[in-house]
Amino acid sequence: GEEVAQTPKHLVRGEGQKAKLYCAPIKGHSYVFWYQQVLKNEFKFLISFQNENVFDETGMPKERFSAKCLPNSPCSLEIQATKLEDSAVYFCASSQVAPINSPLHFGNGTRLTVT
Amino acid sequence: AQRVTQPEKLLSVFKGAPVELKCNYSYSGSPELFWYVQYSRQRLQLLLRHISRESIKGFTADLNKGETSFHLKKPFAQEEDSAMYYCALSGTGNQFYFGTGTSLTVIP
Repeated sequence: GEEVAQTPKHLVRGEGQKAKLYCAPIKGHSYVFWYQQVLKNEFKFLISFQNENVFDETGMPKERFSAKCLPNSPCSLEIQATKLEDSAVYFCASSQVAPINSPLHFGNGTRLTVT
Repeated sequence: AQRVTQPEKLLSVFKGAPVELKCNYSYSGSPELFWYVQYSRQRLQLLLRHISRESIKGFTADLNKGETSFHLKKPFAQEEDSAMYYCALSGTGNQFYFGTGTSLTVIP
């Protein structure tokens, strides 16, 4: 598609439940980024992929967060045993080539509310 | 480590007044700098990037390596410029980091 598509738009989970978010990058884009935005503040980098390979995961809280980008499937971000502080908008972005040479295209985000 | 700093969370200017949104960065190496904008109810989108050295919607930004700054400027603000602005940095390892954002309000 011509736009990055994120689903669902909203997700509500009780504390301790699992949450799974999806992102379909623009067709032909090789790089995918996930960001977490809490209360309209900074975009906290979580993880990036080059095709299906993890490129940089320095922002990921590894004990509960995991992500995948498999061929012919939307990318996913999964949070096991959600906590209240995971409540945020999660943005996905894709770029055609390395982001130093190509702009990031953002999805509309998934708003996760943990109650 | 904070790589991109935007010291102003909120900025209000009158229509027709000059506007400057500040951005400072910290990165060893040669980063590429960008400004992204998010208008109300729209996606975050690229406004301009240093490497292309172009003016978009009247905005310009100059990379000052000595001061490690990439401030965004416009000589005459318009109401439609009201939005959230994010300074961003891309490093040689293909990382991409954003600042905390500045909310610009242009008062009619």
